Amino acid sequence: QLQLQESGPGLVKPSETLSLTCTVSGGSISSRSYYWGWIRQTPEKGLEWIGTIYYSGSTYYNPSLKSRVTISVDTSKNQFSLKLSSVTAADTAVYYCARVVWSTAPQFDYWGQGTLVTVSS
Amino acid sequence: DMQMTQSPSSLSASVGDRVTITCRASQSISNYLNWYQQKPGKAPKLLIFAASSLQSGVPSRFSGSGSGTDFTLTISSLQPEDFATYYCQQSTSTPFTFGAGTIVDIK
Repeated sequence: QLQLQESGPGLVKPSETLSLTCTVSGGSISSRSYYWGWIRQTPEKGLEWIGTIYYSGSTYYNPSLKSRVTISVDTSKNQFSLKLSSVTAADTAVYYCARVVWSTAPQFDYWGQGTLVTVSS
Repeated sequence: DMQMTQSPSSLSASVGDRVTITCRASQSISNYLNWYQQKPGKAPKLLIFAASSLQSGVPSRFSGSGSGTDFTLTISSLQPEDFATYYCQQSTSTPFTFGAGTIVDIK
């Protein structure tokens, strides 16, 4: 059974960089059939797609966050990571990692449990 | 960005009721529409992909229909475990976007 698990600091100071890692178990992140993505959720904005990466390193980012986001993959560790720079209180959210089936209607079929990241001094 | 509008924003229903949730896209998205269920404190769960395809393991009381700009999620007979929030998501183009959600609670 595929499992995804987010990890990283739960508290980040304003203007600093948020860093999260998603560890994939029960399957290979190098599978040609799937992409891997980050989504966040806030009460104000709901669910927001952050970006997606393929095992080769190809990325797609949400234009609203693109200037601050970097998503990378480490196939040797079966992990992918999110970095979001210059954070503000508006970046406080539950962050999810997910697998993306990039077929007809690309969909998020497996999700991590989510991790709350609070931006505060 | 593609705007996804769900209606209603919330509804109250009883066990056994037939429930229909609507999602409208700001432009045609063909059948590039997915539905998710989310329970409090949990991650969203994929129910329907490509507008009408049932995700493996999802009960057959869930169904989806539509194409172009108008889509529906139907629960044929609401069960106690179905009280949750439901989201649509378009994937015709990036940025992928979600609807604001429909809360289904107990009448």
